[in-house]
Amino acid sequence: AQSVTQLDSQVPVFEEAPVELRCNYSSSVSVYLFWYVQYPNQGLQLLLKYLSGSTLVKGINGFEAEFNKSQTSFHLRKPSVHISDTAEYFCAVTQSGYNKLIFGAGTRLAVHP
Amino acid sequence: DTGVSQDPRHKITKRGQNVTFRCDPISEHNRLYWYRQTLGQGPEFLTYFQNEAQLEKSRLLSDRFSAERPKGSFSTLEIQRTEQGDSAMYLCASSWGQNQPQHFGDGTRLSIL
Repeated sequence: AQSVTQLDSQVPVFEEAPVELRCNYSSSVSVYLFWYVQYPNQGLQLLLKYLSGSTLVKGINGFEAEFNKSQTSFHLRKPSVHISDTAEYFCAVTQSGYNKLIFGAGTRLAVHP
Repeated sequence: DTGVSQDPRHKITKRGQNVTFRCDPISEHNRLYWYRQTLGQGPEFLTYFQNEAQLEKSRLLSDRFSAERPKGSFSTLEIQRTEQGDSAMYLCASSWGQNQPQHFGDGTRLSIL
Protein backbone atom coordinates (compact mmCIF):
# COMPACT_ATOMS: atom_id res chain seq x y z
CA ALA A 1 0.00 0.00 0.00
CA GLN A 2 1.07 3.53 -0.66
CA SER A 3 2.22 5.71 2.19
CA VAL A 4 3.73 9.15 2.66
CA THR A 5 6.12 10.13 5.43
CA GLN A 6 6.78 13.73 6.29
CA LEU A 7 9.87 13.52 8.40
CA ASP A 8 9.39 16.71 10.40
CA SER A 9 6.20 17.53 12.24
CA GLN A 10 7.37 21.09 12.92
CA VAL A 11 9.99 23.30 11.29
CA PRO A 12 10.83 26.63 12.93
CA VAL A 13 12.80 29.08 10.80
CA PHE A 14 13.67 32.76 10.80
CA GLU A 15 12.32 35.11 8.17
CA GLU A 16 14.41 35.29 4.97
CA ALA A 17 16.17 32.00 5.78
CA PRO A 18 15.97 29.02 3.41
CA VAL A 19 13.78 26.05 4.29
CA GLU A 20 13.37 22.43 3.21
CA LEU A 21 10.35 20.31 4.13
CA ARG A 22 11.01 16.62 3.64
CA CYS A 23 8.68 14.05 2.11
CA ASN A 24 9.28 10.38 1.36
CA TYR A 25 6.79 8.03 -0.27
CA SER A 26 6.52 4.30 -0.72
CA SER A 27 5.42 2.94 -4.05
CA SER A 28 6.87 0.57 -6.58
CA VAL A 29 5.01 1.97 -9.56
CA SER A 30 4.62 5.29 -11.30
CA VAL A 31 3.47 8.01 -8.97
CA TYR A 32 2.17 11.53 -9.13
CA LEU A 33 3.22 13.84 -6.32
CA PHE A 34 1.76 17.02 -4.89
CA TRP A 35 2.43 19.58 -2.20
CA TYR A 36 -0.47 21.45 -0.64
CA VAL A 37 -0.55 24.29 1.90
CA GLN A 38 -3.26 24.78 4.51
CA TYR A 39 -3.83 28.00 6.42
CA PRO A 40 -5.88 27.92 9.66
CA ASN A 41 -9.54 27.07 9.15
CA GLN A 42 -9.13 26.79 5.42
CA GLY A 43 -8.96 24.05 2.83
CA LEU A 44 -5.86 22.92 0.98
CA GLN A 45 -4.25 25.02 -1.72
CA LEU A 46 -2.11 23.37 -4.38
CA LEU A 47 1.51 24.57 -4.27
CA LEU A 48 2.99 22.39 -6.99
CA LYS A 49 2.72 19.03 -8.72
CA TYR A 50 4.91 16.43 -10.34
CA LEU A 51 3.15 14.45 -13.07
CA SER A 52 6.03 13.71 -15.44
CA GLY A 53 8.99 15.36 -17.15
CA SER A 54 11.53 17.52 -15.37
CA THR A 55 12.26 16.37 -11.85
CA LEU A 56 12.58 19.96 -10.61
CA VAL A 57 9.14 21.44 -10.25
CA LYS A 58 8.39 25.08 -9.59
CA GLY A 59 5.23 26.17 -7.87
CA ILE A 60 3.50 29.21 -6.50
CA ASN A 61 4.84 31.60 -3.87
CA GLY A 62 8.48 30.83 -4.75
CA PHE A 63 8.36 27.17 -3.71
CA GLU A 64 9.99 24.35 -5.65
CA ALA A 65 10.37 20.61 -5.19
CA GLU A 66 12.61 17.91 -6.61
CA PHE A 67 11.40 14.42 -7.47
CA ASN A 68 14.05 11.81 -6.68
CA LYS A 69 12.91 8.38 -7.82
CA SER A 70 15.89 6.47 -6.45
CA GLN A 71 15.40 7.93 -2.98
CA THR A 72 11.58 8.00 -3.28
CA SER A 73 11.59 11.59 -2.10
CA PHE A 74 9.86 14.82 -3.05
CA HIS A 75 11.29 17.52 -0.79
CA LEU A 76 9.88 21.05 -0.83
CA ARG A 77 12.22 24.04 -0.75
CA LYS A 78 12.12 27.80 -0.62
CA PRO A 79 15.28 29.95 -0.69
CA SER A 80 13.88 32.75 1.47
CA VAL A 81 10.74 32.46 3.59
CA HIS A 82 8.31 35.14 4.70
CA ILE A 83 6.14 35.45 7.78
CA SER A 84 3.15 34.77 5.53
CA ASP A 85 4.51 31.28 4.74
CA THR A 86 3.59 30.16 8.25
CA ALA A 87 1.12 27.31 7.65
CA GLU A 88 0.71 23.53 7.52
CA TYR A 89 2.22 21.81 4.49
CA PHE A 90 1.07 18.43 3.19
CA CYS A 91 2.76 16.10 0.76
CA ALA A 92 0.46 13.77 -1.19
CA VAL A 93 0.86 10.91 -3.66
CA THR A 94 -1.34 8.99 -6.04
CA GLN A 95 -0.59 6.13 -8.41
CA SER A 96 -1.28 5.92 -12.09
CA GLY A 97 -4.79 4.53 -12.51
CA TYR A 98 -5.84 5.50 -9.01
CA ASN A 99 -7.88 8.49 -7.97
CA LYS A 100 -7.47 9.05 -4.27
CA LEU A 101 -4.65 11.07 -2.76
CA ILE A 102 -2.64 9.63 0.11
CA PHE A 103 -1.45 12.41 2.41
CA GLY A 104 1.36 12.68 4.89
CA ALA A 105 0.67 13.87 8.42
CA GLY A 106 1.81 17.38 7.59
CA THR A 107 4.65 19.71 8.58
CA ARG A 108 3.94 22.90 10.45
CA LEU A 109 6.22 25.66 9.19
CA ALA A 110 6.61 28.48 11.68
CA VAL A 111 8.42 31.55 10.38
CA HIS A 112 9.74 33.89 13.07
CA PRO A 113 10.78 37.54 12.64
CA ASP B 1 -13.48 29.41 -11.97
CA THR B 2 -15.23 30.14 -8.70
CA GLY B 3 -13.51 27.33 -6.82
CA VAL B 4 -14.96 24.47 -4.80
CA SER B 5 -17.69 25.62 -2.44
CA GLN B 6 -18.78 23.81 0.72
CA ASP B 7 -21.74 24.49 2.96
CA PRO B 8 -22.02 24.91 5.87
CA ARG B 9 -18.55 25.96 7.06
CA HIS B 10 -19.30 24.88 10.60
CA LYS B 11 -21.84 22.47 12.05
CA ILE B 12 -22.42 21.81 15.73
CA THR B 13 -24.82 19.05 16.61
CA LYS B 14 -25.70 16.66 19.40
CA ARG B 15 -24.65 13.05 19.35
CA GLY B 16 -27.19 10.89 17.59
CA GLN B 17 -28.42 13.57 15.20
CA ASN B 18 -28.16 13.38 11.42
CA VAL B 19 -26.17 15.94 9.44
CA THR B 20 -25.81 16.69 5.75
CA PHE B 21 -23.06 18.63 4.01
CA ARG B 22 -23.05 20.02 0.50
CA CYS B 23 -20.23 20.45 -2.00
CA ASP B 24 -20.32 22.37 -5.27
CA PRO B 25 -17.28 21.49 -7.40
CA ILE B 26 -15.61 23.59 -10.06
CA SER B 27 -18.12 23.52 -12.90
CA GLU B 28 -16.04 21.80 -15.58
CA HIS B 29 -14.70 19.12 -13.23
CA ASN B 30 -16.24 15.66 -13.61
CA ARG B 31 -14.53 14.08 -10.60
CA LEU B 32 -15.48 14.81 -7.02
CA TYR B 33 -13.85 13.54 -3.82
CA TRP B 34 -14.64 13.61 -0.11
CA TYR B 35 -11.93 13.51 2.55
CA ARG B 36 -11.94 13.68 6.34
CA GLN B 37 -9.27 15.48 8.34
CA THR B 38 -8.86 15.18 12.10
CA LEU B 39 -6.72 17.52 14.20
CA GLY B 40 -3.02 17.20 13.52
CA GLN B 41 -3.46 14.75 10.65
CA GLY B 42 -3.51 14.84 6.90
CA PRO B 43 -6.77 14.33 5.02
CA GLU B 44 -8.00 10.75 4.60
CA PHE B 45 -9.91 9.63 1.53
CA LEU B 46 -13.58 8.76 2.02
CA THR B 47 -15.18 8.42 -1.42
CA TYR B 48 -14.96 9.44 -5.08
CA PHE B 49 -17.42 10.17 -7.89
CA GLN B 50 -16.95 10.32 -11.60
CA ASN B 51 -19.92 12.26 -12.88
CA GLU B 52 -22.88 10.78 -10.93
CA ALA B 53 -21.32 7.36 -10.35
CA GLN B 54 -19.75 6.61 -6.97
CA LEU B 55 -16.75 4.53 -8.01
CA GLU B 56 -14.78 4.05 -4.81
CA LYS B 57 -15.48 4.06 -1.08
CA SER B 58 -12.99 3.81 1.76
CA ARG B 59 -13.57 1.37 4.59
CA LEU B 60 -13.60 4.53 6.74
CA LEU B 61 -17.04 5.16 5.27
CA SER B 62 -19.22 3.17 7.64
CA ASP B 63 -22.88 2.34 7.03
CA ARG B 64 -23.81 5.57 8.79
CA PHE B 65 -22.23 7.58 5.99
CA SER B 66 -23.79 8.07 2.57
CA ALA B 67 -22.76 10.29 -0.31
CA GLU B 68 -24.61 11.21 -3.47
CA ARG B 69 -24.01 13.20 -6.60
CA PRO B 70 -27.41 12.95 -8.27
CA LYS B 71 -26.86 14.92 -11.46
CA GLY B 72 -23.12 14.81 -11.67
CA SER B 73 -22.83 18.34 -10.34
CA PHE B 74 -23.08 19.05 -6.58
CA SER B 75 -22.65 16.33 -3.98
CA THR B 76 -24.00 15.70 -0.49
CA LEU B 77 -22.46 13.77 2.36
CA GLU B 78 -24.84 12.59 5.08
CA ILE B 79 -23.88 11.18 8.45
CA GLN B 80 -26.62 9.42 10.37
CA ARG B 81 -26.67 8.92 14.15
CA THR B 82 -23.52 11.00 14.66
CA GLU B 83 -20.91 9.87 17.17
CA GLN B 84 -18.16 11.75 19.01
CA GLY B 85 -15.59 10.23 16.69
CA ASP B 86 -17.22 11.90 13.70
CA SER B 87 -15.90 15.28 14.83
CA ALA B 88 -13.55 16.37 12.06
CA MET B 89 -13.13 18.64 9.07
CA TYR B 90 -14.86 17.24 5.99
CA LEU B 91 -13.16 18.36 2.80
CA CYS B 92 -14.46 18.19 -0.74
CA ALA B 93 -12.24 18.32 -3.81
CA SER B 94 -12.74 18.16 -7.56
CA SER B 95 -10.61 17.53 -10.63
CA TRP B 96 -11.10 17.33 -14.39
CA GLY B 97 -9.32 14.05 -14.97
CA GLN B 98 -7.51 11.09 -13.52
CA ASN B 99 -4.25 11.93 -11.74
CA GLN B 100 -4.89 15.63 -12.28
CA PRO B 101 -4.54 18.03 -9.34
CA GLN B 102 -7.46 18.06 -6.97
CA HIS B 103 -8.79 21.45 -5.93
CA PHE B 104 -10.16 21.66 -2.42
CA GLY B 105 -12.93 23.63 -0.79
CA ASP B 106 -12.56 25.26 2.63
CA GLY B 107 -14.26 22.32 4.32
CA THR B 108 -17.08 21.81 6.81
CA ARG B 109 -15.99 21.55 10.43
CA LEU B 110 -18.26 19.17 12.35
CA SER B 111 -18.38 19.30 16.14
CA ILE B 112 -20.36 16.69 18.06
CA LEU B 113 -21.53 17.72 21.54
